[in-house]
Amino acid sequence: ETGVTQTPRHLVMGMTNKKSLKCEQHLGHNAMYWYKQSAKKPLELMFVYNFKEQTENNSVPSRFSPECPNSSHLFLHLHTLQPEDSALYLCASSPGQGNTEAFFGQGTRLTVV
Amino acid sequence: AQSVAQPEDQVNVAEGNPLTVKCTYSVSGNPYLFWYVQYPNRGLQFLLKYITGDNLVKGSYGFEAEFNKSQTSFHLKKPSALVSDSALYFCAETGSARQLTFGSGTQLTVLP
Repeated sequence: ETGVTQTPRHLVMGMTNKKSLKCEQHLGHNAMYWYKQSAKKPLELMFVYNFKEQTENNSVPSRFSPECPNSSHLFLHLHTLQPEDSALYLCASSPGQGNTEAFFGQGTRLTVV
Repeated sequence: AQSVAQPEDQVNVAEGNPLTVKCTYSVSGNPYLFWYVQYPNRGLQFLLKYITGDNLVKGSYGFEAEFNKSQTSFHLKKPSALVSDSALYFCAETGSARQLTFGSGTQLTVLP
């Protein structure tokens, strides 16, 4: 185990649903990340939070809405998704933003129907 | 454009043989380079990193990587492959953007 926990592990949702992904770490890290992993594509960085402040939003559609209430928790709120949003969503944390290794959760496998 | 490239989508090697998974980088200045492994239905696990110092970096599970500045490469190596090493391997870097950028991944299959 890496110390980063994601829930749920699997999620199936309709295009009109609203759901949230949760990520939790108790490693004392200050930076948290959301990545999207689609088949046959490189990992895409979606959002970065450093000390609870969003520092990166890599042109992610507004149907994805992140929330970081504290340094240990990160959420990804989902609303009116499209089938092409189906992917593995990975959360990661690191001591700080920058040149340190990141620790990843096991991911949430999302299927949009 | 990607700042790290993994030229091989798939690498097959026989158990017991040495393995190499290739990575090249195009980051200017002093790159910070990483290797991660992903087993099926799991998140990424950190294997090793190069920040500065010795060009040969040793990591988890017997893996090592060599930083080669003249060839702008950071290939992952292991002297003797195990079937359990079969997984998806990612090279990554953090540059001036201070965020991890990953290569496209290489599927390693170790054949018994």
